[in-house]
Amino acid sequence: ELKVEQNPLFLSMQEGKNYTIYCNYSTTSDRLYWYRQDPGKSLESLFVLLSNGAVKQEGRLMASLDTKARLSTLHITAAVHDLSATYFCAATTSGTYKYIFGTGTRLKVLA
Amino acid sequence: ETGVTQSPTHLIKTRGQQVTLRCSSQSGHNTVSWYQQALGQGPQFIFQYYREEENGRGNFPPRFSGLQFPNYSSELNVNALELDDSALYLCASCGRVGGARFDGTQYFGPGTRLTVL
Repeated sequence: ELKVEQNPLFLSMQEGKNYTIYCNYSTTSDRLYWYRQDPGKSLESLFVLLSNGAVKQEGRLMASLDTKARLSTLHITAAVHDLSATYFCAATTSGTYKYIFGTGTRLKVLA
Repeated sequence: ETGVTQSPTHLIKTRGQQVTLRCSSQSGHNTVSWYQQALGQGPQFIFQYYREEENGRGNFPPRFSGLQFPNYSSELNVNALELDDSALYLCASCGRVGGARFDGTQYFGPGTRLTVL
């Protein structure tokens, strides 16, 4: 059974600093997704990673995938307050579109 | 392009009652999934519908049921509500009418906040 774990669960960081959120999954997965959720809001798609070594970047966020290590990372560069949100990764088992979500990382960027 | 819509936005029910939540998929999408998100948790997969058939189910009891209609919209029904059913219910759509390839990204609606008293 596919399980997804994220760490850290909570992250408080100063503006301008860099940090990485980690997403581990337990069995083979052919796709890895990252989403952002603001308080009381729905989920916004950030990235989809489809193959080993895939790297995607948008603004101050960069996501990567290592399928051999069953690990994805979301790297934040020079954080700004607007990045404060909860970030979820989700994996799917091969041949399905059933998302298994991680527990989420609640990020707070302090001015 | 119209996004995923859900109704109602908020709902309060009492234990033992039944509830129906509705979802309209994003235009061009033929697959709808439902998720339950308890406060402070990640979304949990309930089930998915494709071409009006259930196409996968998570670890939820049979009192959680659903439908998909020919226009790809969907309903989630929950019978015999329990206090633990209080959560944000999210609908997500994906896929391509006509079978064109896509990357599996699901697009989420704003959710229905269900409170069971």
